[in-house]
Amino acid sequence: AQTVTQSQPEMSVQEAETVTLSCTYDTSESDYYLFWYKQPPSRQMILVIRQEAYKQQNATENRFSVNFQKAAKSFSLKISDSQLGDAAMYFCAYRSLYNTDKLIFGTGTRLQVFP
Amino acid sequence: DGGITQSPKYLFRKEGQNVTLSCEQNLNHDAMYWYRQDPGQGLRLIYYSQIVNDFQKGDIAEGYSVSREKKESFPLTVTSAQKNPTAFYLCASSIYSGGPGRKETQYFGPGTRLLVL
Repeated sequence: AQTVTQSQPEMSVQEAETVTLSCTYDTSESDYYLFWYKQPPSRQMILVIRQEAYKQQNATENRFSVNFQKAAKSFSLKISDSQLGDAAMYFCAYRSLYNTDKLIFGTGTRLQVFP
Repeated sequence: DGGITQSPKYLFRKEGQNVTLSCEQNLNHDAMYWYRQDPGQGLRLIYYSQIVNDFQKGDIAEGYSVSREKKESFPLTVTSAQKNPTAFYLCASSIYSGGPGRKETQYFGPGTRLLVL
């Protein structure tokens, strides 16, 4: 069974600085998807970025980018030029290409952004 | 505007009562999902449906039931058999590509918080 681990329960960053959130996963599959979702205080889950395992190039979305290390089963999220609105819970998630449709989530990292 | 709506935002359940959480989407998505979130945890899948009139159990289906009579709607009923229903419930939807292959991103609604009186 696949698992997703986020080892940082909380992180903090100064406004305009860069922060990296860690995520590791375990799977025996060769092809899959990885996601980062943001959950602000409103509690709605918002997609931040998505990576397909067969793509070697790291995904980027504006200030958000990932460092995808397939062999190490690592999928970290880098937030550049942090803004106050980035403060939220961030969840890493795995989705199998072959099995059920479910997303497998980590336990989340709470990011605080200080002015 | 296209999106996923969930109602109510807050729901209170009395002992022995069944309650139903609504989820509607106008994104023309084929697949819909229900997740449960407990404090300090990620989301866990309760049920999912890939097409109308068909649905499958997720990891924690006991004490829950669903129906999928319309493409746009996927209501979740929390039955009296669910002994610990207090949680945040999130509905999601995605395009379904059919069978093994490229699968699409899941998008989430705003959630319903269920509390037990």
